[in-house]
Amino acid sequence: AQSVTQLGSHVSVSEGALVLLRCNYSSSVPPYLFWYVQYPNQGLQLLLKYTSAATLVKGINGFEAEFKKSETSFHLTKPSAHMSDAAEYFCAVSGNTGKLIFGQGTTLQVKP
Amino acid sequence: IAGITQAPTSQILAAGRRMTLRCTQDMRHNAMYWYRQDLGLGLRLIHYSNTAGTTGKGEVPDGYSVSRANTDDFPLTLASAVPSQTSVYFCASSERTGVIYEQFFGPGTRLTVL
Repeated sequence: AQSVTQLGSHVSVSEGALVLLRCNYSSSVPPYLFWYVQYPNQGLQLLLKYTSAATLVKGINGFEAEFKKSETSFHLTKPSAHMSDAAEYFCAVSGNTGKLIFGQGTTLQVKP
Repeated sequence: IAGITQAPTSQILAAGRRMTLRCTQDMRHNAMYWYRQDLGLGLRLIHYSNTAGTTGKGEVPDGYSVSRANTDDFPLTLASAVPSQTSVYFCASSERTGVIYEQFFGPGTRLTVL
């Protein structure tokens, strides 16, 4: 069985500050991990994914995430937040079936 | 513009009524999915289809049915709507089933059942 826990349903940062969104997973098989972003009134868009290649994954819009097996984590970071980063972010895990299991989501607020 | 379209954008429905949410993709993707999004629960898979003519149950299939008569369309039907089906519904597609294939999402349908 697989599951994802996102720590913090709401994160607020100042513009220019570091963004850190936390994701921990549970999986009985080697996991594939994803981060999606959802802007207001839109569908989800893939930010980045880990599929057992490099443990540090770079995505769109300056985001990156590091797979840490020992910590069962896949935290999302961005060095400097922009106002346009305000959105809801979802971590998801998948086994080899291709079915995605999503976390509950984290809303990122960016203050000027 | 290639992508996924969903209709309607939003709907208010009386309990007990039948409702079909439409989803069409023009990317010729083999796999399609229906999710519901609820506050604090993220997205949960309702039904999926690996290819035209086949469907499967996801995490929360009760009260919903799907069909996949062709590659492009994947309608979701609520036979007799209940208030607990109030949610935002997203259709998604991927080239094939499998983790290496990115899922692309439609804009969603906001459904309210009263």
